[in-house]
Amino acid sequence: ETGVTQTPRHLVMGMTNKKSLKCEQHLGHNAMYWYKQSAKKPLELMFVYNFKEQTENNSVPSRFSPECPNSSHLFLHLHTLQPEDSALYLCASSQDEVSHHGYTFGSGTRLTVV
Amino acid sequence: KQEVTQIPAALSVPEGENLVLNCSFTDSAIYNLQWFRQDPGKGLTSLLLIQSSQREQTSGRLNASLDKSSGRSTLYIAASQPGDSATYLCAVLGDAGGTSYGKLTFGQGTILTVHP
Repeated sequence: ETGVTQTPRHLVMGMTNKKSLKCEQHLGHNAMYWYKQSAKKPLELMFVYNFKEQTENNSVPSRFSPECPNSSHLFLHLHTLQPEDSALYLCASSQDEVSHHGYTFGSGTRLTVV
Repeated sequence: KQEVTQIPAALSVPEGENLVLNCSFTDSAIYNLQWFRQDPGKGLTSLLLIQSSQREQTSGRLNASLDKSSGRSTLYIAASQPGDSATYLCAVLGDAGGTSYGKLTFGQGTILTVHP
């Protein structure tokens, strides 16, 4: 374990379902991130939160809705997804948005939309 | 906008070889550079972090170098083992004055296979 925990590890959902991904870190970091990793593409930044405030939304469709109730927890709420949203969703954290200490990633949630 | 390129895209070597993975970036205004390892279907594990003021970092059989002005980094793996088989990702964190301040930009990775 890296210190960033993601649940569930795997998720299969239909296009009309609503589900949530959870990320938790107890590293004392102030910034948290959601990334999407699709096959044969570089990691894509989706959202950034710093001190619980969203500082970046990288033109992500509204069917993805992030929530950051505190600096240790980050959620990604999913509804009416499309099959092309199937991917590995990675959560990361860092001390601050520009950190000397680098980023720590979780193990990811493998999402399949059917 | 920062772009990161990793060469080669894939590499297959016999066990015991020393090897070099390459990473280049277009905007030299970086805060630091991080090398990650990713096993299939898993998350990213940080291997080495080099600050922009540093030239290299070492951890065990791994050595990473950074030439910020030319926009290049290399990851050297000594005496490769089958357990080193994974995808290796390079990422740069943009610094103030650059095109991607505060953003971590990834390359597409090098898929490494080490044969017994």
